Amino acid sequence: KQEVTQIPAALSVPEGENLVLNCSFTDSAIYNLQWFRQDPGKGLTSLLLIQSSQREQTSGRLNASLDKSSGRSTLYIAASQPGDSATYLCAVETSGSRLTFGEGTQLTVNP
Amino acid sequence: DTGVSQNPRHKITKRGQNVTFRCDPISEHNRLYWYRQTLGQGPEFLTYFQNEAQLEKSRLLSDRFSAERPKGSFSTLEIQRTEQGDSAMYLCASSLRILTEAFFGQGTRLTVV
Repeated sequence: KQEVTQIPAALSVPEGENLVLNCSFTDSAIYNLQWFRQDPGKGLTSLLLIQSSQREQTSGRLNASLDKSSGRSTLYIAASQPGDSATYLCAVETSGSRLTFGEGTQLTVNP
Repeated sequence: DTGVSQNPRHKITKRGQNVTFRCDPISEHNRLYWYRQTLGQGPEFLTYFQNEAQLEKSRLLSDRFSAERPKGSFSTLEIQRTEQGDSAMYLCASSLRILTEAFFGQGTRLTVV
């Protein structure tokens, strides 16, 4: 059974810092990995999708990497801003029909 | 296109009542998913449709839960005889085809009192 773990569970940083969120998964036979952002009481916003054949994806200040063999992904956020405060979720697709999510990292960026 | 739309956004119901939620996916997306999320947890898969066919159901989806997607367009999720443990955020997502990016709606927050 696929299990996804996100570390740390919570992170508080001052504005302007670069930061890294970690995601690990137990079954390396994944099709893809997706990072999402969730604001309190809201749905999920897709940030980046990395296919299993890819090593990284970039969108603006966000960069996500994937090391499938070791079961790890990182989300790098450059020059963090207070508006980046949210919960960040990673999810892997292993069966072609469902995403398995981690519990998320709650990020607070302080002005 | 305004993305995945879910209604209602919030629902408060008494234990034992039936509730129904609606999801309108992004047009031309033939795959539709339902997830449930409780506070502090990541979403958990409930079921998914390819067009109008319900192809997979999680063991979380007890016999009190039923989902439909008539004509492969919008979908409904019904919970019969609600229990307090059903209180959660119910999320709908859609994707264009297998292994492509999933887009989520804003969710329906269910509170069973």
